[in-house]
Parts: sequence; C-alpha cells; structure tokens
Amino acid sequence: EAEVAQSPRYKITEKSQAVAFWCDPISGHATLYWYRQILGQGPELLVQFQDESVVDDSQLPKDRFSAERLKGVDSTLKIQPAELGDSAMYLCASSLGLAGALRQSYEQYFGPGTRLTVT
Amino acid sequence: GDSVTQMEGPVTLSEEAFLTINCTYTATGYPSLFWYVQYPGEGLQLLLKATKADDKGSNKGFEATYRKETTSFHLEKGSVQVSDSAVYFCALSVRGGSNYKLTFGKGTLLTVNP
Repeated sequence: EAEVAQSPRYKITEKSQAVAFWCDPISGHATLYWYRQILGQGPELLVQFQDESVVDDSQLPKDRFSAERLKGVDSTLKIQPAELGDSAMYLCASSLGLAGALRQSYEQYFGPGTRLTVT
Repeated sequence: GDSVTQMEGPVTLSEEAFLTINCTYTATGYPSLFWYVQYPGEGLQLLLKATKADDKGSNKGFEATYRKETTSFHLEKGSVQVSDSAVYFCALSVRGGSNYKLTFGKGTLLTVNP
C-alpha cells in the first residue's frame, strides 16, 4: 500500500539553528499539506500546495518558516531560525485533490511525522 | 470560523467496556466529518468518515453517526480492546475552493487495561 514518506523521523536542534523536513507524498497525489501538532493538541494546517502552487499559507509564520514544492511532487519545510516554541510534531499529508472530482479524492493520508525538539 | 470540540481525556477503560467519545462541531458550510486515530509515535490514520447528515461511518468495530441537528459526531465502540489504546481526533473539512483543509479537535487519549 502506498504511503506518505517523511524524514527525518526525529530531529533535535538548538535554537537559532536552521532545520528542514522532507515529505514525499503518495504517487499521483496533487495536493500536499503540512500540519504542526503541538503536544496535547490537534494538528493545525501550516501550508497547502496544489501541485507546485501554494493554496493556503495563512497560518505559516512567514518570518521564519518557508515551504516549497518545486516540481509538484516532494516538498520541503524549513525553519530558520528555530525557536523553543517550534518543538512539535510536523505532519505531512497528501490527497488526490483532482478539481471537479468526487469528494473522496480529497481524503487526506498522513505520513509518520517528524518530531522536532528545539533546545 | 470552523471548530471541533471533543471530550477531554484521558479516558481509561477495562477491556470489553463500552466506549463513547463525544464530538461537536461548528462549521461555516456543510462539512464532512472524520475520526482519526494516532498510535504512539505514529502519524494519523483515518478511522472512519461521514460526508452527509445521518450517514454512519464504521470501521474496526467503531461507529459514528453524522447528526446535523445536534452538530455532533460521537465515536462509539461496543467492546474495546487493549490494542485500541491511542489518541482519537475528531475533525471536519469544509470545502473552500480547492482548499479542503482539516480542522481537528484537541484529541482524546484512550487507555484500555487488560
């Protein structure tokens, strides 16, 4: 069964350092999401891509976070500089996301996540 | 805006007990409703879903019915197992253009003891 891949699974970094996370969605999925999950909370959307274009980045702290999906396939989320409050699980999800298709095409499949600890 | 409120945990049950986790929502449009499960150290897995009023989603013995009149989507299971121990998230999705983002509740930790 196809899965969403993420790496690394765990990352420890010092504050003020740069950190990057990678996501490879299920093959053929046009829509890719990055969520942040703080311990004890539900995931919150950071950014959504449709192919290589950003659809929604309204909750992305753009002064320190950036995301790209240059060829419309895999994606990278970067934090620079990292702050203590960025410690969280970063989840990637993908969906078929075909315009005009059935609602089932928007079902999201999640990767295992990257757990970030900022010290 | 859209929001999901679910019963706070933790919930601790004995094996074979009946489970209910309450979930209510507010939405600007007509939402699809979901329950996700997260096992320790893992990402989220879709447990079940319902896309319109009175639909019942079911999977692995879990059920939830989309109640538009009470804006609820409560999760139930008749007999829980130790392997059901996990965090359960209620979520909704309302389409805005090509944006189908999920809005999650805070999660409910379930522990099932043998």
